[in-house]
Amino acid sequence: EAGVAQSPRYKIIEKRQSVAFWCNPISGHATLYWYQQILGQGPKLLIQFQNNGVVDDSQLPKDRFSAERLKGVDSTLKIQPAKLEDSAVYLCASGPTSGGTSYNEQFFGPGTRLTVL
Amino acid sequence: GNSVTQMEGPVTLSEEAFLTINCTYTATGYPSLFWYVQYPGEGLQLLLKATKADDKGSNKGFEATYRKETTSFHLEKGSVQVSDSAVYFCALYSGAGSYQLTFGKGTKLSVIP
Repeated sequence: EAGVAQSPRYKIIEKRQSVAFWCNPISGHATLYWYQQILGQGPKLLIQFQNNGVVDDSQLPKDRFSAERLKGVDSTLKIQPAKLEDSAVYLCASGPTSGGTSYNEQFFGPGTRLTVL
Repeated sequence: GNSVTQMEGPVTLSEEAFLTINCTYTATGYPSLFWYVQYPGEGLQLLLKATKADDKGSNKGFEATYRKETTSFHLEKGSVQVSDSAVYFCALYSGAGSYQLTFGKGTKLSVIP
């Protein structure tokens, strides 16, 4: 079974530029997550999708970050404009169903390492 | 709110040494607890989990016991190998109010031959 795919693996941009990340979840997984992992910290959830609807985006900085999941499969995360503090690894994960009161395992991709200069 | 505190790293051990990585948590309700591992250049992988008090999760020689009285979930392994070198994350999932994983900061383990 193929895992979660992400691209690009690395990206270097200057502040105020725009950047987009792509995620292809495991086939059949309804739930998709984007996490931000700053160096030395654990991953922090940015947004959670169930199919193509948003379940939780309470920690997404909506003035500069946006995400979409068209057709309930692939997803893109965009930052526009980027700031220095956005330098981090952006992880995508997918799971078979939404968590609710019971946890369902999340499968993580390798991440995209973003450096903002 | 929910939070996870795990021991600071990095931790460097010789092969076959005993490993303990401490993890304590604060959560509402009755959370499920997890250890994730991140090998260099790879995504996070679930290592083990425990869903209720006194449960013991185990996998690949690693163990952790869900201790409700001390709100802890310490990771242990009796004899580490070079291939165990990775970053280890403790995490919790609480169905009460926040349906998301909360991670600790991670502990980097290096095992030397």
